[in-house]
Amino acid sequence: GAVVSQHPSRVICKSGTSVKIECRSLDFQATTMFWYRQFPKQSLMLMATSNEGSKATYEQGVEKDKFLINHASLTLSTLTVTSAHPEDSSFYICSATDRGAFSPLHFGNGTRLTVT
Amino acid sequence: AQTVTQSQPEMSVQEAETVTLSCTYDTSENNYYLFWYKQPPSRQMILVIRQEAYKQQNATENRFSVNFQKAAKSFSLKISDSQLGDTAMYFCAFMKQGDDKIIFGKGTRLHILP
Repeated sequence: GAVVSQHPSRVICKSGTSVKIECRSLDFQATTMFWYRQFPKQSLMLMATSNEGSKATYEQGVEKDKFLINHASLTLSTLTVTSAHPEDSSFYICSATDRGAFSPLHFGNGTRLTVT
Repeated sequence: AQTVTQSQPEMSVQEAETVTLSCTYDTSENNYYLFWYKQPPSRQMILVIRQEAYKQQNATENRFSVNFQKAAKSFSLKISDSQLGDTAMYFCAFMKQGDDKIIFGKGTRLHILP
C-alpha cells in the first residue's frame, strides 16, 4: 500500500539553529501534503497545507517565517523549523493523500524534535 | 467551521470486553467522510475505519464497527473482543468531500487491561 516516509525520526538541536524535516510519498504522487504538530498527550494540530509548486497555506496562528515549507516535487515536502527554540520542541507528523485511488491520509512516522 | 468532539479523555476496559468510544461532530456540509485513527505508543497513525456520509450502512472492519448517526452528527466506534494491542490513543476525524484536510478530535486514550 501507499507509504509516506518521514525523516529524521528524531532530532536534537541547539537553540538558534534550523532543522529540516523531509516527507516523501514513496509510491504515489502527492500534490498536497499536510504538516501536523502534536504536543504530548494531545491531538494533532494542523500547521499547514503544502501544495506542490506553490506556496503553502498556513493555519491561523502558525508563523510562516518560523516554519518554512517547500513542496518542490510531487513526492517531497520539507518543513524547516528556523531559529529553533525550546518551545518548538514537539512531535511533527506529515501526511499525504493518494488521489489516484481515493484513500484517506497516509501518515509518516513522525519526527520528534528536541531543542536544547 | 467543522469541529470534532470526543468527550471521553480516557477509558479502561478488561481484555475481551466490548468498548464504545464516542464522537460527535459539527458541520454544515452534506458530503463528508469520518474516520477513526489509532495512535499506539509508537506514535504511528493507523487508520482503523472510515465512513462515507452518504452511506447509511455502518462501516465494519473485523472487530471494529461504527454507529453512524448522521442526523445526530454522531460517530461512535465499537471495539469487540478487545485485545491488549488495542491499547492506544484513538482519534475521531472529519474530512469534507473534495478537501484533503482532516480535522481531528482531541482523542480518547484507551487502556486494555489484562
